[in-house]
Amino acid sequence: AQSVTQLDSQVPVFEEAPVELRCNYSSSVSVYLFWYVQYPNQGLQLLLKYLSGSTLVESINGFEAEFNKSQTSFHLRKPSVHISDTAEYFCAVSFYNTDKLIFGTGTRLQVFP
Amino acid sequence: DSGVTQTPKHLITATGQRVTLRCSPRSGDLSVYWYQQSLDQGLQFLIQYYNGEERAKGNILERFSAQQFPDLHSELNLSSLELGDSALYFCASSVSGTPYEQYFGPGTRLTVT
Repeated sequence: AQSVTQLDSQVPVFEEAPVELRCNYSSSVSVYLFWYVQYPNQGLQLLLKYLSGSTLVESINGFEAEFNKSQTSFHLRKPSVHISDTAEYFCAVSFYNTDKLIFGTGTRLQVFP
Repeated sequence: DSGVTQTPKHLITATGQRVTLRCSPRSGDLSVYWYQQSLDQGLQFLIQYYNGEERAKGNILERFSAQQFPDLHSELNLSSLELGDSALYFCASSVSGTPYEQYFGPGTRLTVT
């Protein structure tokens, strides 16, 4: 069965520390991978995506994620977080030839001063 | 601002009632997706329409139905409401010519009392 797993429901971290949010997927077909961010009381915003090509993708606000096919992972990283990064982060997978997104359960990133 | 609009923002209703949620996609987007976000189920895909036709179905209850109109706006109808239907309902849209990039609206928060 095709699924997405975000192992960490909450990640507390101090400001300016590095962070990694983990995402693993299960699929027997090609996938497209996404990270969405949801700030409090707002909708989801696309943070970054992997469709093809370079396995390392970056967002405009300093986040990056690396597609690792052998480990079926798409972990999200940032070398130095800010208070404003506090939000819920969702990993999502779209399987080849479908538009449907399957979301992980989300990871709440809490950045402390 | 993603360009996807949803109305109403909040909705409070009683069990057994029927409500209609409305979504207007981004200009030029042909696909509309509906998602339900609840504490116990997480973010679940409900249904997708493409240019007026149903294209994919997810975990949508029989009490729920949707349609997409010629002007491409979409409505999600929820009937015989139960307490467990209380959730945030998101609409997303995509061009569906570009792969798998969905833009989410701000959501409608439904509270069933």
